[in-house]
Amino acid sequence: NAGVTQTPKFQVLKTGQSMTLQCAQDMNHEYMSWYRQDPGMGLRLIHYSVGAGITDQGEVPNGYNVSRSTTEDFPLRLLSAAPSQTSVYFCASTRSSGTDTQYFGPGTRLTVL
Amino acid sequence: GENVEQHPSTLSVQEGDSAVIKCTYSDSASNYFPWYKQELGKRPQLIIDIRSNVGEKKDQRIAVTLNKTAKHFSLHITETQPEDSAVYFCAASRGTYKYIFGTGTRLKVLA
Repeated sequence: NAGVTQTPKFQVLKTGQSMTLQCAQDMNHEYMSWYRQDPGMGLRLIHYSVGAGITDQGEVPNGYNVSRSTTEDFPLRLLSAAPSQTSVYFCASTRSSGTDTQYFGPGTRLTVL
Repeated sequence: GENVEQHPSTLSVQEGDSAVIKCTYSDSASNYFPWYKQELGKRPQLIIDIRSNVGEKKDQRIAVTLNKTAKHFSLHITETQPEDSAVYFCAASRGTYKYIFGTGTRLKVLA
């Protein structure tokens, strides 16, 4: 199993550009989440999904969209990138409940100029 | 809103000494408390977790204690080694898929 994979590893955008961060898992996990990690602020939840077709907002959803058309994939879309979105983004998945182990992807380092 | 406070933000210990990191949570409905270790440039990885029906859990040199009345939980690392140097994060969850993370503790083990 590859576990949780993310692409790209690094990305530089200009203000106003859009892009999609990809996340996939091959563990048949129902639950997937996106976090951003900023220095001194830990991990903050952006959006999460409890299954295909079901998504909900986390702590910091503004400026981001998600969809979950399959169990395996959970892409994160930046509609119009802003410098405040410069961060490291982690995708995570959990098997079936909030007390199961959460597995993280390797992360995407995004810089918005 | 829900909040998890983590202290200290940095911690330096001599190799072989113990390290303790403490977290306090605000949501009394939280019932699952994982701890993650993140090495530089890597992803967070679960090292130990505890559920609200348990007061303490050990795994070799690592232990976690939970005080539900006071709403705090702690990570204890004994006989620290240089490879324990990393950033450690606590988190709290109600058993749903929304985890609230602490802000992290940078542990440095001095050889």
